[in-house]
Amino acid sequence: DTAVSQTPKYLVTQMGNDKSIKCEQNLGHDTMYWYKQDSKKFLKIMFSYNNKELIINETVPNRFSPKSPDKAHLNLHINSLELGDSAVYFCASSPRYNTEAFFGQGTRLTVV
Amino acid sequence: SQELEQSPQSLIVQEGKNLTINCTSSKTLYGLYWYKQKYGEGLIFLMMLQKGGEEKSHEKITAKLDEKKQQSSLHITASQPSHAGIYLCGAGLNSPDSGGSNYKLTFGKGTLLTVNP
Repeated sequence: DTAVSQTPKYLVTQMGNDKSIKCEQNLGHDTMYWYKQDSKKFLKIMFSYNNKELIINETVPNRFSPKSPDKAHLNLHINSLELGDSAVYFCASSPRYNTEAFFGQGTRLTVV
Repeated sequence: SQELEQSPQSLIVQEGKNLTINCTSSKTLYGLYWYKQKYGEGLIFLMMLQKGGEEKSHEKITAKLDEKKQQSSLHITASQPSHAGIYLCGAGLNSPDSGGSNYKLTFGKGTLLTVNP
C-alpha cells in the first residue's frame, strides 16, 4: 500500500484553467506538506499543515490554496494557471513537524 | 541566497569508486535528512542525523553530521549503477522548539550522481 499518494500523476492543462491535486497519507502522520520542484530540480516548500492547521505558508501566489479536510488529506487547488506554474509538485507527510518527511510520487503539472 | 549548499552539483564516477557529497549551512541544522530521487519519481528517505558528530550507515552509504551541526557529508563506498540519482539534503534551519511555524524542512539543490558501468 502506498504511504503517501498523489493524484493525478500527470496533469496537462491550458493557461487560465483551475486545477486541483489531491494527496492522501495512510501513515497516521500529523504533518503534511506541499513542495514544488522546478526544472532545475530545486525543491521548495510551499505549505505545511499540522493537525489540519496551516503552519507554514511560504511566498506563494494567492492562486494556490491548500485545503486539509482531515489529517490524512492535503489537497492543492490552483486558480488561473500560468506557464510558470509548470513543475513537479510533491506532497509529503511526517509524524510531527520536526521529523523526516515521506514523499509522494509527485504530480507533473504542465501548463500550455 | 541558498540556505543549504550542496556540492558538487553533479558527479560522474566509474562503478566501484568511492564518492562524497557535501551539504553545508551557515546556520545550525536541526535535523539533517538525506534523500535520493530517481528521475520521474518521488524522494526516498535515506537517513536522518540529529546530534553533532553523529554518523549512520546503511549498506554502502554513510552519512555524518559535524560537531557544529552545520555540515553533513554522504559517502558511498564502491558505487554501483543502482546508486545513480539525485541526492538531496534537507534540514530544519530553525529550532523545533521555536514553534512549528518557524521550523521548516529546507532542501539543497541536489547532487546528480551518474555511475558508469
